[in-house]
Amino acid sequence: DTGVSQNPRHKITKRGQNVTFRCDPISEHNRLYWYRQTLGQGPEFLTYFQNEAQLEKSRLLSDRFSAERPKGSFSTLEIQRTEQGDSAMYLCASSTGTHRPKETQYFGPGTRLLVL
Amino acid sequence: GENVEQHPSTLSVQEGDSAVIKCTYSDSASNYFPWYKQELGKGPQLIIDIRSNVGEKKDQRIAVTLNKTAKHFSLHITETQPEDSAVYFCAASLRGNTNAGKSTFGDGTTLTVKP
Repeated sequence: DTGVSQNPRHKITKRGQNVTFRCDPISEHNRLYWYRQTLGQGPEFLTYFQNEAQLEKSRLLSDRFSAERPKGSFSTLEIQRTEQGDSAMYLCASSTGTHRPKETQYFGPGTRLLVL
Repeated sequence: GENVEQHPSTLSVQEGDSAVIKCTYSDSASNYFPWYKQELGKGPQLIIDIRSNVGEKKDQRIAVTLNKTAKHFSLHITETQPEDSAVYFCAASLRGNTNAGKSTFGDGTTLTVKP
């Protein structure tokens, strides 16, 4: 079990550019979550997949944000026309969703985004 | 929606002492409460969790208690060691529901264990 992996680990971009992050969950984990974490705060929920279906999106996820999990395995999070306020750590987590402990979420190392 | 408050925001203890972090939640439907440890530059790591059908759970030096009536839960670390120094987050979520799983986190407690 290699754990949840995220790429890239760091991303610096200029305001207005598009960025895409990738998350590879633990093998056979059906549920995949995206969170955003700013300095001094706890992770904030963005969106959640059960296999390839996106079941819930937070109000934090503006129209500039889109997430996909096309084959129910890895997921991508894209931010279009980045703004300085998008600077944060983007965390991915996965859980089995089907067998115990089905709700336990395992987090990846995160992608730190800096928008200049 | 759910709201989780965590106290204190910073905690400094001497090595060997105990540390206690407290959280309250607002949604009485929440029934799963994990605790995470986050070290600098890393993602949160689950250290212990508790479900609403139990009042206390212990794993070596770490214990968690839950009071459903008062809607608060606490993390207890005994015999603290310098390597316990990190940011600790509590969270609340629903389990047993098809659409359940997202967690609402507290703002974290920075624990410093002084040797």
